[in-house]
Amino acid sequence: GAVVSQHPSRVICKSGTSVKIECRSLDFQATTMFWYRQFPKQSLMLMATSNEGSKATYEQGVEKDKFLINHASLTLSTLTVTSAHPEDSSFYICSAGTQYEQYFGPGTRLTVT
Amino acid sequence: GDSVTQMEGPVTLSEEAFLTINCTYTATGYPSLFWYVQYPGEGLQLLLKATKADDKGSNKGFEATYRKETTSFHLEKGSVQVSDSAVYFCALKNTGNQFYFGTGTSLTVIP
Repeated sequence: GAVVSQHPSRVICKSGTSVKIECRSLDFQATTMFWYRQFPKQSLMLMATSNEGSKATYEQGVEKDKFLINHASLTLSTLTVTSAHPEDSSFYICSAGTQYEQYFGPGTRLTVT
Repeated sequence: GDSVTQMEGPVTLSEEAFLTINCTYTATGYPSLFWYVQYPGEGLQLLLKATKADDKGSNKGFEATYRKETTSFHLEKGSVQVSDSAVYFCALKNTGNQFYFGTGTSLTVIP
């Protein structure tokens, strides 16, 4: 099946710094990518939808200036957590796909100290 | 709007016991239905899926049947193993490729 990678898999950063997470579709071109956030022992919450070459669509309650999403190509989307704070610590998962199927990345564990 | 309601856990079973995790959905149109599994510290892995009514998805001994009349997609396995311990998510996908996830059910299988 199709493969979606995320980098890094784990990152620890200090409060106030910014962190970039990459999501790549390795063997297919993804017209749409989704970014999810998962709190401990909870389900995935959709943060935003990004389409290649256009601005991301954010879900209600998600700060677009804090969670910057760029989908510059059909194989790469990035999520930048700006001025991170401890409450941003979470598991971030991306999915990438075509109109027929979506594939999930392995996730990135962000810890803000 | 579209949504998924999933049986709350946690669920603890002895090895070789029968497993059922209930999942019902609300959706307009004809969604595709999925079960994903998440092992500790990892991302989601597709377990099985069904794209239309009466379809049965199956994988690794797990099964789920798309029941439009009851809007359900219950996950079953006849004999669970310790290695099945994980969190299971029911999900639906409607038009637009957006997924809607249930809250997840944690399963622990004890020897």
